[in-house]
Amino acid sequence: GNSVTQMEGPVTLSEEAFLTINCTYTATGYPSLFWYVQYPGEGLQLLLKATKADDKGSNKGFEATYRKETTSFHLEKGSVQVSDSAVYFCALSDKDFGNEKLTFGTGTRLTIIP
Amino acid sequence: KAGVTQTPRYLIKTRGQQVTLSCSPISGHRSVSWYQQTPGQGLQFLFEYFSETQRNKGNFPGRFSGRQFSNSRSEMNVSTLELGDSALYLCASSLWTSGQETQYFGPGTRLLVL
Repeated sequence: GNSVTQMEGPVTLSEEAFLTINCTYTATGYPSLFWYVQYPGEGLQLLLKATKADDKGSNKGFEATYRKETTSFHLEKGSVQVSDSAVYFCALSDKDFGNEKLTFGTGTRLTIIP
Repeated sequence: KAGVTQTPRYLIKTRGQQVTLSCSPISGHRSVSWYQQTPGQGLQFLFEYFSETQRNKGNFPGRFSGRQFSNSRSEMNVSTLELGDSALYLCASSLWTSGQETQYFGPGTRLLVL
């Protein structure tokens, strides 16, 4: 079945540092890939997505590229801010109509210190 | 456009009771999915409804059930509550467009079973 393996946390960085959170996946076919972010006490917010190989998703300075050859979708940001402190989830979904459930990684807690 | 709403936001129940959670999807979205989030198991898929029909189901016992109404609003019910059912229950809605579905999440209902 499908699975997502995500970098273990917690991750603590200083403000303006470079961020990478690793994500690899196992899936049949060509799933869509997502990064969601969860702030304390809230639900999940879609951060970015990519639907096919070599697509790059980007939003709010975050980027991730769909790498089919390495089955990866690593999240990066060039200069993090304190407001980026949150839990980040990598996820995938099949594209087949009727089977779009999301499979999530375990989440990576990110803390940015001023 | 209003986002996904969930009610109630917080709930305290005792073992053996039952509970009903409600979810209103984004206007125009016809698919509603439910997920359970716990510190130990992470985010797990419960079930998905589309046009009032359960289309997909995760590996949860029959105590967990749901339904969807003609206006796409959805409810999930948990009967004979157990301590382990304490969790954040997240609802997500989606609009099927060109085989590239994106799920948008509500803020969740936090259930505590005593």
